[in-house]
Amino acid sequence: QITLKESGPTLVKPTQTLTLTCTFSGFSLSTSGVGVAWIRQPPGKALEWLALIYWDDDKRYSPSLKSRLTISKDTSKNQVVLTMTNMDPVDTATYYCAHRHETITAGDYFDLWGQGTLVTVSS
Amino acid sequence: DIQMTQSPSTLSASVGDRVTITCRASQSISNWLAWYQQKPGKAPNLLIYKASSLQSGVPSRFSGSGSGTEFTLTISSLQPDDFATYYCQQYNSHPRTFGQGTKVEIK
Repeated sequence: QITLKESGPTLVKPTQTLTLTCTFSGFSLSTSGVGVAWIRQPPGKALEWLALIYWDDDKRYSPSLKSRLTISKDTSKNQVVLTMTNMDPVDTATYYCAHRHETITAGDYFDLWGQGTLVTVSS
Repeated sequence: DIQMTQSPSTLSASVGDRVTITCRASQSISNWLAWYQQKPGKAPNLLIYKASSLQSGVPSRFSGSGSGTEFTLTISSLQPDDFATYYCQQYNSHPRTFGQGTKVEIK
């Protein structure tokens, strides 16, 4: 059974760096084809894809946020970490991590998500 | 980036109604499209992948169709549990992008 859970601060100040951790079970990020993504959702707004890390340490970022984001993995701890620098009130959102499911015939999509963690940016 | 546009933004319907939501891509994405359902305060839940494949455990009243740039999600007979917001998402290319969502409300 695959589970994911996000953790990190609930409140950060403007200009600070946010560090979020996704701790997962039921799969290994050293297995070929596996990936974990971060997606966020401001209150009352749509989902926004942020970043994705693959089993081979390949990384992809949202172009609009690329300069502020870093995604990394710790395979031994079953964790993926996302850092976002220079936080602003507009970054207030629920941040989700999600498991990337891949098949040759169906491509790759996010089949399981964590519960999300609300991060508020305020002084 | 590929832009995903959903219509309508809000839909009012009654239990038992047939409901259709449309998602348009700004360029062809073949059939690399997923649909998610999200209820208030909850994470999105995968309904459909590869435009028309039903995720395991999802009721058969949900169906997806389309390819290229135009896609639809259909609920054949709306149930009380289906009042939620629905999102499409393309996975043809990076960055992955979502539609703005369609809220299905009780009429």
